[in-house]
Amino acid sequence: EAAVTQSPRNKVAVTGGKVTLSCNQTNNHNNMYWYRQDTGHGLRLIHYSYGAGSTEKGDIPDGYKASRPSQENFSLILELATPSQTSVYFCASGDLGGVNTGQLYFGEGSKLTVL
Amino acid sequence: GDKVKQSPSALSLQEGTNSALRCNFSIAATTVQWFLQNPRGSLINLFYLVPGTKENGRLKSAFDSKESYSTLHIRDAQLEDSGTYFCAAENTNKVVFGTGTRLQVLP
Repeated sequence: EAAVTQSPRNKVAVTGGKVTLSCNQTNNHNNMYWYRQDTGHGLRLIHYSYGAGSTEKGDIPDGYKASRPSQENFSLILELATPSQTSVYFCASGDLGGVNTGQLYFGEGSKLTVL
Repeated sequence: GDKVKQSPSALSLQEGTNSALRCNFSIAATTVQWFLQNPRGSLINLFYLVPGTKENGRLKSAFDSKESYSTLHIRDAQLEDSGTYFCAAENTNKVVFGTGTRLQVLP
């Protein structure tokens, strides 16, 4: 069974603080994704990665950085958190365009509140 | 968002009835996925589709890449089908989500 694990599951941060959301996958998928989910917007793509060392901008990358140090791990970094970044963040892995199934597998989500 | 439009945005069904959800794409989608987000917030894979159809129990989905749409049919709706259904389209290794259809199945 595909496994994507996010940490922390809940985080309260202060405005201007640094936040790192971590994601680990045991699927050996090349691609990993970070989305945020807000009421009325569905899931919006922030950053994604094709493999270790690769990061790509998604549709709403401003205010976020990403890091992919290994096949298994993909982090989302908020250097200077703002209240507008209060949201639920989802990580996913998949091998779209490759020879595998191509499905996205999601973690359980990380709820971030920036005060 | 605008690239993937889902309809209806919300729907109430009596238990045991049938319904269809739809996604229209303004991007060139190569594959489509359907997810159910349950009340706990977990995203559950329902279907992954290349152009064509798939069926799984009471659920059936179709994807027409030429006409740029996908449908999800629910037959004999059950209470546990309640939640928010998302479709997502793949385009050049990015997956773009619609804003969801909130489904409530009533006893």
